Amino acid sequence: EAQLVESGGGLVQPGGSLRLSCAASGFTFSRYWMNWVRQAPGKGLEWVANIKEDGSEKYYADSVKGRFIISRDSAKNSLYLQMNSLRVEDTAVYYCTNSFDTWGQGTLVTVSS
Amino acid sequence: QSALTQPASVSGSPGQSITISCTETSSDFGGYNYVSWYQHHPGKAPKLMIYDVSYRPSGVSNRFSGSKSANTASLTISGLQAEDEADYYCSSNTTTNTWVFGGGTKLTVL
Repeated sequence: EAQLVESGGGLVQPGGSLRLSCAASGFTFSRYWMNWVRQAPGKGLEWVANIKEDGSEKYYADSVKGRFIISRDSAKNSLYLQMNSLRVEDTAVYYCTNSFDTWGQGTLVTVSS
Repeated sequence: QSALTQPASVSGSPGQSITISCTETSSDFGGYNYVSWYQHHPGKAPKLMIYDVSYRPSGVSNRFSGSKSANTASLTISGLQAEDEADYYCSSNTTTNTWVFGGGTKLTVL
């Protein structure tokens, strides 16, 4: 069974950094584009970033471009999201998903002073 | 502001059918042929219900169906059940390899 498990969320001050991880199992990780999607409190789903199967292409939502970096390690079947210059409005549950048919349970990131 | 517009809420009684629309309001989506629909119960992971406009993943009930006409995609749920009460989101990829979600529709089963 395909499974994704996020980790790394927590409380961070505005301007700080955080690195999220997503461990994949039960499917061939190297054959899938991978995505990060977030949901702020009381808001809808927002696509954040994606990365091609071999890591050669990466795309970002305008709201995070220049601050977040998506990466992957196929040897470890893992996806990452390095979040820098965090803002209060980045507070959300962050989900990783492959091509949107398998989703993790999410990890909460809270940006607050 | 999302480039995919959904109604904020819809409701229906058990056994009835409802339809949720998703209208593209920009020219970013090419042929708009890669519309997906997700069911999201609060506190749980979103679940893919429909992909590529009208295809159902294995395991999704055939009470869920998708269609598209011009720039509006639709999700229809027939034979409404209490467990269908959830938030529903459409999404589509864009011509620049990014993805956009609609604002979401809260389905209430009366």
